Amino acid sequence: KQEVTQIPAALSVPEGENLVLNCSFTDSAIYNLQWFRQDPGKGLTSLLLIQSSQREQTSGRLNASLDKSSGRSTLYIAASQPGDSATYLCATLTDSWGKLQFGAGTQVVVTP
Amino acid sequence: DVKVTQSSRYLVKRTGEKVFLECVQDMDHENMFWYRQDPGLGLRLIYFSYDVKMKEKGDIPEGYSVSREKKERFSLILESASTNQTSMYLCASILLAGSTDTQYFGPGTRLTVL
Repeated sequence: KQEVTQIPAALSVPEGENLVLNCSFTDSAIYNLQWFRQDPGKGLTSLLLIQSSQREQTSGRLNASLDKSSGRSTLYIAASQPGDSATYLCATLTDSWGKLQFGAGTQVVVTP
Repeated sequence: DVKVTQSSRYLVKRTGEKVFLECVQDMDHENMFWYRQDPGLGLRLIYFSYDVKMKEKGDIPEGYSVSREKKERFSLILESASTNQTSMYLCASILLAGSTDTQYFGPGTRLTVL
């Protein structure tokens, strides 16, 4: 059974610093890996989706890498802003039904 | 834009009550999901549905049932609510599971069982 781990559980950085969020998974037979953002008390918003054949995806200040052989993904957020404060979750897709396996998330606080 | 809505943002129920949580999506998605989210545990799958009247158990189905009578609507039912079912409940949908498809989530229902 897929296990997804995110370390650290919480992170606080001053505005302007780059953020590095880590995700590891035990089963490398994935269809894709996704990063989501969750604001307090809200649902999840998809940030980036990396297909199993890809090594990275970029969107604006966000860049996510995928290394299936080592079971790792990293989300980089450049030049962080207070508006980036949220919980970031990674999830893997390992079957054709669309079921996702989630990590517990990293709670990020960017201080002005 | 895909929209997934949930019937309530906040709900307070008493132990033993029957509770209905409803989810509606407006983009003709095939598959729908119910998760619960608890601090430190992430999201855990309760049930999912891949077609009208079709359902499959997820990782933690005990104490829950679901109903999908119409393609756009997926209901989660707590037959007899218990305090350990106090949680955030999230509904999601996906067009078809594939390497490029993502799930779209509703805003969540925070359920408190007293």
